Amino acid sequence: AQKVTQAQTEISVVEKEDVTLDCVYETRDTTYYLFWYKQPPSGELVFLIRRNSFDEQNEISGRYSWNFQKSTSSFNFTITASQVVDSAVYFCALSEAGRDSWGKLQFGAGTQVVVTP
Amino acid sequence: DSGVTQTPKHLITATGQRVTLRCSPRSGDLSVYWYQQSLDQGLQFLIQYYNGEERAKGNILERFSAQQFPDLHSELNLSSLELGDSALYFCASSASKREALTDTQYFGPGTRLTVL
Repeated sequence: AQKVTQAQTEISVVEKEDVTLDCVYETRDTTYYLFWYKQPPSGELVFLIRRNSFDEQNEISGRYSWNFQKSTSSFNFTITASQVVDSAVYFCALSEAGRDSWGKLQFGAGTQVVVTP
Repeated sequence: DSGVTQTPKHLITATGQRVTLRCSPRSGDLSVYWYQQSLDQGLQFLIQYYNGEERAKGNILERFSAQQFPDLHSELNLSSLELGDSALYFCASSASKREALTDTQYFGPGTRLTVL
């Protein structure tokens, strides 16, 4: 069963618009980590942010911010004032701390973000 | 640049052949992970090694095997290749002390395998 769901396949915006990417996860573990990775057209996977299950404080880092809500099992990610360089596929990932899952990243299907000038 | 290196960058081979993909983790990282990214399956975890020992296994085919050497570099061996094995293969590394909770994984640039 899919443990990480990214319902948005593609989002197209014009430069300077904000973009919010949705991520819903499923786990029975009480300890887990959530991640966002970016895959630009060049193909590499770039780490963006990480959150553990005990810290629901939402933060802002530069143009990136995230909204973690355990009550709805959601970990949404926002890019403020988007730029053309933000065009990429964004992946949400879950890592459960259970003995059988330790270290394994489970990825969503990804959301393609297209930012046009 | 994540500090994780993978070679080769591209690999083109024929069905039935065997290939070896190589990964060098970030300096000081003890854990190495292998992932496969394909159009139909997305990003899938294959296997993890920690300080030379297999730590976790995912959806890895029996035709595939991996190992981590004393210098901590890792190799992923793919044999009896099929057309469906064409994919982007990523290696990632993390500090991951055995007793620690999950550390952030940093990914290499990937090896694109094309099986003809």
